Amino acid sequence: SQKIEQNSEALNIQEGKTATLTCNYTNYSPAYLQWYRQDPGRGPVFLLLIRENEKEKRKERLKVTFDTTLKQSLFHITASQPADSATYLCALRGSSNTGKLIFGQGTTLQVKP
Amino acid sequence: DTAVSQTPKYLVTQMGNDKSIKCEQNLGHDTMYWYKQDSKKFLKIMFSYNNKELIINETVPNRFSPKSPDKAHLNLHINSLELGDSAVYFCASSQDTPNTEAFFGQGTRLTVV
Repeated sequence: SQKIEQNSEALNIQEGKTATLTCNYTNYSPAYLQWYRQDPGRGPVFLLLIRENEKEKRKERLKVTFDTTLKQSLFHITASQPADSATYLCALRGSSNTGKLIFGQGTTLQVKP
Repeated sequence: DTAVSQTPKYLVTQMGNDKSIKCEQNLGHDTMYWYKQDSKKFLKIMFSYNNKELIINETVPNRFSPKSPDKAHLNLHINSLELGDSAVYFCASSQDTPNTEAFFGQGTRLTVV
């Protein structure tokens, strides 16, 4: 069955450093990969989408890579700030218009001042 | 204006009761979803509706019955609540194209005692 794995342990980094989160998947060939941010007590909020034929996508301090050979996506936050502390979710989707988003379990990032 | 709103935010009820969670989106999306987030933060899809039609039913017990009176609303009714139903339930919506993001509500924390 389809499986998505993210760093199960929390990631603690110092303010100003680059945070790198990993998303690995098996038994799936997604057409699209998305990253969401979730704060405590809130719903996930969309950050970035990358297509299977794209290697890299950037948005401000965020960068996502997508390696369909390794079946892996890396999510980077450069110049991290305490406000970046949250849980980050990776999600996969196929090419069907009515397909579902399959989520990983998320990685909690803590940025310390 | 809240894009995806669900009520109530908190729901505490006894085992065996029947309860409903309501969801409305004002984004004009054709597709709506219900997700369940368990204590380990794993976000799992339950149902997907497209233009009021059930598209995805992820082997959810029959006690869970979604209802979509129109494409802007997707309600979730749960019969004979069990302890294991305790979780946070998220409603979401998206356009019915695979290269777009999902918008989530703030969640309903259901506690069955």
